[in-house]
Amino acid sequence: DIQMTQSPSTLSASVGDRVTITCRASQSISSWLAWYQQKPGKAPNLLIYKASSLESGVPSRFSGSGSGTEFTLTISSLQPDDFATYYCQQYNSYSITFGGGTKVEIK
Amino acid sequence: EVQLVESGGGLVKPGGSLRLSCAASGFTFTNAWMSWARQAPGKGLEWVGRIKSKTAGGTTDYAAPVKGRFTISRDDSKNTLYLQMNSLKTEDTALYYCTRDEAMFGFDYWGQGTLVTVSS
Repeated sequence: DIQMTQSPSTLSASVGDRVTITCRASQSISSWLAWYQQKPGKAPNLLIYKASSLESGVPSRFSGSGSGTEFTLTISSLQPDDFATYYCQQYNSYSITFGGGTKVEIK
Repeated sequence: EVQLVESGGGLVKPGGSLRLSCAASGFTFTNAWMSWARQAPGKGLEWVGRIKSKTAGGTTDYAAPVKGRFTISRDDSKNTLYLQMNSLKTEDTALYYCTRDEAMFGFDYWGQGTLVTVSS
């Protein structure tokens, strides 16, 4: 199975900060990567698919980049609503895997 | 409006069985690939398995920890997805989510989840 490693596991930031989360795949997944946001007690919400495509309705301050084995999710200017946990997900193979998550906390 | 509503969760003893259901509405269920994902209390997300649409072959894939114990099926006439869970282990305790699996576009809709607790 393809392993997905996210870093950092926790990130402390302030409103207005530029935030970057990294996800590394154990082997090439081309661009078959998605990012999700999850708030406490809620189901995950799709933000980005195919590494860099913004899901409809998601604010443009979210962006994704990368291909192969290294990917990033960037929030250009952190807003109060963005404090949450973020997960990457690879769907390159018949067996889908998620990263361990990155919790974005208020500094 | 797309809705996915899971049901069937509960408390079960180790070695027991449980069947989860997911009622779908607001989209053409027949054409949809569907996946189950789970989240143990305080932990991250884990994919459980997927079923393709019948037009795509209707085949299933499973994560290694559940292969041979869990079975995903669908009833397109009822717009319902199922997860049959057998030989349950304490480590299967989790909130189980039904998702619409858009294959190349990620999991774009999720239900609210149903809690499965495996404990003696």
